[in-house]
Amino acid sequence: AQSVTQLGSHVSVSEGALVLLRCNYSSSVPPYLFWYVQYPNQGLQLLLKYTSAATLVKGINGFEAEFKKSETSFHLTKPSAHMSDAAEYFCAVNAGNMLTFGGGTRLMVKP
Amino acid sequence: NAGVTQTPKFQVLKTGQSMTLQCAQDMNHNSMYWYRQDPGMGLRLIYYSASEGTTDKGEVPNGYNVSRLNKREFSLRLESAAPSQTSVYFCASSPLGSNQPQHFGDGTRLSIL
Repeated sequence: AQSVTQLGSHVSVSEGALVLLRCNYSSSVPPYLFWYVQYPNQGLQLLLKYTSAATLVKGINGFEAEFKKSETSFHLTKPSAHMSDAAEYFCAVNAGNMLTFGGGTRLMVKP
Repeated sequence: NAGVTQTPKFQVLKTGQSMTLQCAQDMNHNSMYWYRQDPGMGLRLIYYSASEGTTDKGEVPNGYNVSRLNKREFSLRLESAAPSQTSVYFCASSPLGSNQPQHFGDGTRLSIL
């Protein structure tokens, strides 16, 4: 069994501030982890993925995430938020043959 | 590149009507998926097809059927639509393997009155 919890359904930051979106997972086997971004009226786009090669994963648009096995976490960060980062972000885990998504975090960026 | 194409983009149905959502991918992927997205619940897997000729139930299969028509196409059918099936439906595809990311279409927004 596998599950994903995203803490905070809404996160608001000022432009230029640090972005931190939290994701915790549970899995009975070593997981593959993903972050996706969804812009309004669009499908999901892959931001980055963890597949056990390195614990710190760099993705597109300046985002990165760190896999911490001891904390079962895979938090997403970006040093400086941009207005264009406003979107919904989904963490997902695959520990078998199905992808399980968290409930999503809507990121709002204030000017 | 078109990627994953879903039709229609919007649809309004009456309770009890049937319809089929179409999905096609041009990336030569083996695996295809159907999800529904509801507020606060993320995406939930309805059915998937790991490879051509196979289909399996996901987390929320009740009220739906699927057909893997060929490697490119994977359709989702609602036989008797219910208001609880009002949602945004996404099709996705990926190469084989749980470490492979999925590629998503732009969704079908379905309202059932």
